Amino acid sequence: EAGVAQSPRYKIIEKRQSVAFWCNPISGHATLYWYQQILGQGPKLLIQFQNNGVVDDSQLPKDRFSAERLKGVDSTLKIQPAKLEDSAVYLCASTLKGELLTFGSGTRLTVV
Amino acid sequence: TQLLEQSPQFLSIQEGENLTVYCNSSSVFSSLQWYRQEPGEGPVLLVTVVTGGEVKKLKRLTFQFGDARKDSSLHITAAQPGDTGLYLCAGAPGNQFYFGTGTSLTVIP
Repeated sequence: EAGVAQSPRYKIIEKRQSVAFWCNPISGHATLYWYQQILGQGPKLLIQFQNNGVVDDSQLPKDRFSAERLKGVDSTLKIQPAKLEDSAVYLCASTLKGELLTFGSGTRLTVV
Repeated sequence: TQLLEQSPQFLSIQEGENLTVYCNSSSVFSSLQWYRQEPGEGPVLLVTVVTGGEVKKLKRLTFQFGDARKDSSLHITAAQPGDTGLYLCAGAPGNQFYFGTGTSLTVIP
């Protein structure tokens, strides 16, 4: 079974630029999560999708972050404009029934 | 506000020593999970506990869920360098998973 695919693996941008991350979950997994993990800390939930609908985006900074999962499969997370404090690893995870979270390898974003 | 607090934050021990990592919260969880994360990778699930007082063993790792389902501990016996990594607890008060602050473990050969 293929795992959760994320791209790119690394991204360096200047502040105020925009960036997008892509996630392809495990086939058949209805629930998809985006997490932000700052170095040395635990992942922080940004947004949860169930199929193509948003379940929880209460911790998503909506003035600069947006996410979509139009067809209920792939998802993109965008930041516009980026700030220095957005430097982190962005992790995508998916699950079939809500207990077994499978994570991708993440995208490491550096904002300079 | 962090829902789950882990302690210690950092731990550096010699190979062969035992250690315990704690995960505490004021909230009740329907289930709690432990993950290990290696540099450059996403967290990998180690165990899920769902019943208050439950104890699960995974080789040299012992996981315990508190009776009130608010806290958990991870005990590693005879640590090995391969145990090095970031240990994360994650609680599900509903159907969303909130992660703890993490414990970075280094096992020195």
